[in-house]
Amino acid sequence: QKEVEQNSGPLSVPEGAIASLNCTYSDRGSQSFFWYRQYSGKSPELIMFIYSNGDKEDGRFTAQLNKASQYVSLLIRDSQPSDSATYLCSYSSASKIIFGSGTRLSIRP
Amino acid sequence: DGGITQSPKYLFRKEGQNVTLSCEQNLNHDAMYWYRQDPGQGLRLIYYSQIVNDFQKGDIAEGYSVSREKKESFPLTVTSAQKNPTAFYLCASSIDEGYYGYTFGSGTRLTVV
Repeated sequence: QKEVEQNSGPLSVPEGAIASLNCTYSDRGSQSFFWYRQYSGKSPELIMFIYSNGDKEDGRFTAQLNKASQYVSLLIRDSQPSDSATYLCSYSSASKIIFGSGTRLSIRP
Repeated sequence: DGGITQSPKYLFRKEGQNVTLSCEQNLNHDAMYWYRQDPGQGLRLIYYSQIVNDFQKGDIAEGYSVSREKKESFPLTVTSAQKNPTAFYLCASSIDEGYYGYTFGSGTRLTVV
């Protein structure tokens, strides 16, 4: 079993709609969870950090965490073409961060 | 401005050569990390260091070596023992061993010619 499971996509969403990205993880001891955005050929950029159950909102982004189900999600409202990227789900474990393979998101005009 | 600087941006290696990738940070972070990313895949941990003069192997350390003589610097050497070194290499740092996330450098793309 992979430590972080994500659908690789591509996930195609019309401009202005809500994009929903999902992730499951295997380590029940994980304390903090992250979503990174990575444009093609660039390094990852941290866009959301969550450590307690429930929702965390930052602008158009909402991260949701359910530790009992070992599930993390990212919602992007009012999707824009600039949101087209790969989104990496990750969590901290034993002094390092474990990354999923990413979900490729494409926003179509 | 604080940040992480990786150099060079592109690097070409001949078969049998060792090459060194530079990573320098001015964020005053204690922990530094090296990851490798292959096309369509996630990040795999090569080495990490939580303090000067100490480092630990990650999941794919074979064929790589590191040093941590200064807090600001964590260079990675890709040795000739690494049989498939073509990849995108990312250096990252953290103030808290990853609890609040990493800051990444801009990466080095290594190609074997």
